[in-house]
Amino acid sequence: QKEVEQNSGPLSVPEGAIASLNCTYSDRGSQSFFWYRQYSGKSPELIMFIYSNGDKEDGRFTAQLNKASQYVSLLIRDSQPSDSATYLCAVLNQAGTALIFGKGTTLSVSS
Amino acid sequence: DAEITQSPRHKITETGRQVTLACHQTWNHNNMFWYRQDLGHGLRLIHYSYGVQDTNKGEVSDGYSVSRSNTEDLPLTLESAASSQTSVYFCASSETGAWVSTDTQYFGPGTRLTVL
Repeated sequence: QKEVEQNSGPLSVPEGAIASLNCTYSDRGSQSFFWYRQYSGKSPELIMFIYSNGDKEDGRFTAQLNKASQYVSLLIRDSQPSDSATYLCAVLNQAGTALIFGKGTTLSVSS
Repeated sequence: DAEITQSPRHKITETGRQVTLACHQTWNHNNMFWYRQDLGHGLRLIHYSYGVQDTNKGEVSDGYSVSRSNTEDLPLTLESAASSQTSVYFCASSETGAWVSTDTQYFGPGTRLTVL
């Protein structure tokens, strides 16, 4: 069974700090990686995807991918209380047929 | 605006009853997916479809079925509801006819199902 692992948290950071969310995956053949944000009681929404090694930046968000280490991370700069949510890491399986989700990391940003 | 809707949003049923959860999208997406989300398990794929008349089993398909008769709808049926199927169910859709590495999945608002 292919797995995606995330620390459940909660990860607590003060407003304005950098939040670092981490994810490891077991399927070495995976090619595409996604970060979703889910507010309590709401559905997941895509915030970033990455498929090349290195960094990808979008506003305050930076996704980092290291396929050799099977590691993907999400950095949130200048964290805001509105960033408080659960962040789900998802990996497209090697067959390209399904997303495998981690259990999510809960982020709490205090003002 | 295009959207994806689910109904009902909340459902309470009894063990052994058949239950159907509706999912309707107006994106005209080919791909549609059903997930369940449980505390401690995250999102798990139940069934998915890449187009009309196409259905595939996901990670946790036992006790569930789907059918795809048109592009817009993918209803999920619990043949004989069990307490273990108490969960939040999310439907999702994405654009292309086959999975693309940058494909975006759009999720519906979810259905909270309780089986007593």
